[in-house]
Amino acid sequence: EADIYQTPRYLVIGTGKKITLECSQTMGHDKMYWYQQDPGMELHLIHYSYGVNSTEKGDLSSESTVSRIRTEHFPLTLESARPSHTSQYLCASSPGQGDLKTQYFGPGTRLLVL
Amino acid sequence: GQNIDQPTEMTATEGAIVQINCTYQTSGFNGLFWYQQHAGEAPTFLSYNVLDGLEEKGRFSSFLSRSKGYSYLLLKELQMKDSASYLCAVRNSTLTFGKGTMLLVSP
Repeated sequence: EADIYQTPRYLVIGTGKKITLECSQTMGHDKMYWYQQDPGMELHLIHYSYGVNSTEKGDLSSESTVSRIRTEHFPLTLESARPSHTSQYLCASSPGQGDLKTQYFGPGTRLLVL
Repeated sequence: GQNIDQPTEMTATEGAIVQINCTYQTSGFNGLFWYQQHAGEAPTFLSYNVLDGLEEKGRFSSFLSRSKGYSYLLLKELQMKDSASYLCAVRNSTLTFGKGTMLLVSP
């Protein structure tokens, strides 16, 4: 059973607010990821990290930023939320070198920006 | 770039067998994954293929042909709880997901 947590699970917020979506994993995984998924659509990688102090932008351009100060924590921040940011955000992690098998996903955060 | 194609929807009856196909064109290849995603939930890992051939795991099997850029997920003895979206994903340095195939299992 994977131990990866996301908070909040649901968030409704007004335009222009700054928000941080939290993601934590207790498995000691080096790699962590953020995906954005609209209903019925594919997952798009927006950020990823190979370890502490490593962050990379994914395939989908995003106005969000991430940080990786600790192995277990990979928060995603929107400085000024807009209605176009309404979506589901999924965090995932995977072990480092030597195990390419799978990513473990958190339960997701559903964001609604009014 | 990466391009992954899979059917949008499929329907099947309880107890039957269904095959979900996935074709891909990618600039690199380091494995193909299948995930299951129930509505409103996160994806869960089903299978992984990096070499050609069939990988069997209980009621689920996955096949890969790298030369053809083709994979399929085979679900046997379908149950109602198998109604979900099935995501094909190709790994290069990161995972790229297809749009998913929504499978509806009816009684």
